Amino acid sequence: AQSVSQHNHHVILSEAASLELGCNYSYGGTVNLFWYVQYPGQHLQLLLKYFSGDPLVKGIKGFEAEFIKSKFSFNLRKPSVQWSDTAEYFCAVRGSNYQLIWGAGTKLIIKP
Amino acid sequence: NAGVMQNPRHLVRRRGQEARLRCSPMKGHSHVYWYRQLPEEGLKFMVYLQKENIIDESGMPKERFSAEFPKEGPSILRIQQVVRGDSAAYFCASSPNQGEGDIQYFGAGTRLSVL
Repeated sequence: AQSVSQHNHHVILSEAASLELGCNYSYGGTVNLFWYVQYPGQHLQLLLKYFSGDPLVKGIKGFEAEFIKSKFSFNLRKPSVQWSDTAEYFCAVRGSNYQLIWGAGTKLIIKP
Repeated sequence: NAGVMQNPRHLVRRRGQEARLRCSPMKGHSHVYWYRQLPEEGLKFMVYLQKENIIDESGMPKERFSAEFPKEGPSILRIQQVVRGDSAAYFCASSPNQGEGDIQYFGAGTRLSVL
C-alpha cells in the first residue's frame, strides 16, 4: 500500500538552528514528491517538489529537500530557521490516480 | 494561491443534520480533489472530480458522503446525517490538468464541528 511516514510529530528549535524533517514513502511507481507548509490560520501552500532530475531540490524561503531513492526518503532541510518558520509541514507523494498521499505532518515551533 | 475558495470556513452541525461544503477551483482549473484531515492526523484523499464526472472516489465513505462538480458552479461535498466522527477539516484542491507535472493548489479548508 502507498504510504508516507513523517518521523517527528513535534519539533521545537531555537532561531538560527538547523532543521531537518524526515519523510519516507512507500510507493512502487514513478515518484512525485512534495512538501507543503501550513502557517497558522492559512491554507496549505507548496514549499517544493520533486518530479525528476536533480535529486536536490530547492524551494521557497530557503528550504531544500533531497530525494534519496535507495532510502525511499525525501527529507526537508533548512540551514538556519527563523521564528516565521513556525508552521505545520506535510510531506506527500502522488498516488496512482494523481491524488496526494500524505504524512501525518510535523508541527514546528521556533523559539525566538 | 488564494484562488481556491472554500466556504464556509467553519460549519457547526448537530448530529443527524446535513453538511454542504463548497469549493470553487482556481480559474482555468478543471480538476478538483477533496481531502479530510482528522485531528492529529495527516490529510486523507476522499474524491477526485472533473467537471460532471467522478474520476476516483476510493477514499469516500460508502454511506452518507457524496460529491459533485457540476458544469456550472462550485464543487460540493455533501455529508448527510452527520455524526461526531465527521468532525474534521475538509480541504479542497484544484489543478489545471491531470498529469505528473501538475501541482494541486489548496483552499483554506472548512472546519466541520458536529455537536
